[in-house]
Amino acid sequence: EAQVTQNPRYLITVTGKKLTVTCSQNMNHEYMSWYRQDPGLGLRQIYYSMNVEVTDKGDVPEGYKVSRKEKRNFPLILESPSPNQTSLYFCASSFSLSPLHFGNGTRLTVT
Amino acid sequence: EDQVTQSPEALRLQEGESSSLNCSYTVSGLRGLFWYRQDPGKGPEFLFTLYSAGEEKEKERLKATLTKKESFLHITAPKPEDSATYLCAVHYISGTYKYIFGTGTRLKVLA
Repeated sequence: EAQVTQNPRYLITVTGKKLTVTCSQNMNHEYMSWYRQDPGLGLRQIYYSMNVEVTDKGDVPEGYKVSRKEKRNFPLILESPSPNQTSLYFCASSFSLSPLHFGNGTRLTVT
Repeated sequence: EDQVTQSPEALRLQEGESSSLNCSYTVSGLRGLFWYRQDPGKGPEFLFTLYSAGEEKEKERLKATLTKKESFLHITAPKPEDSATYLCAVHYISGTYKYIFGTGTRLKVLA
């Protein structure tokens, strides 16, 4: 089954404790992206990747890192999480000019 | 400023009461406009892609249309299972590959 898999689904952590949210897709998509979704603000892009070893900042990249060492994986790294990074996070992938396929989301709480 | 605006923010309909959702955009170099449906706690699911003004797409009770400045999602004789948040997104070129979302319309269809 074609899918985008994110893990974990839920994560509660404390300020400053490094964490990684994994994302994997099995559709051979070149394009992958991370979004955060907050009430009233909609989906905002954090980082995206056009292909392996090619990443670029989205609209809200501060406090986040990404890497794209393999085509299928695009992990999101929070080196020192803060409470304002509490949000619902989505990973998505696609071929160029095609609709995005989304994962089921990761709900992160930073206390 | 490049942006996507959806209206209304929320809409309550009786079952069978048709209506339309609006997505207006101010971007140049539009490559495609996408409609997604999002259920609570889940990732957005793709509905339609529209590429050029005058284009229309239909699926069951939903019909999407596109002009040079806006898109409409028409819902004909809705049912309670159509209740969801409907998201509009535009893909465009602005120096690089850009993909931005509106904040969505929360639709509630009452039986």
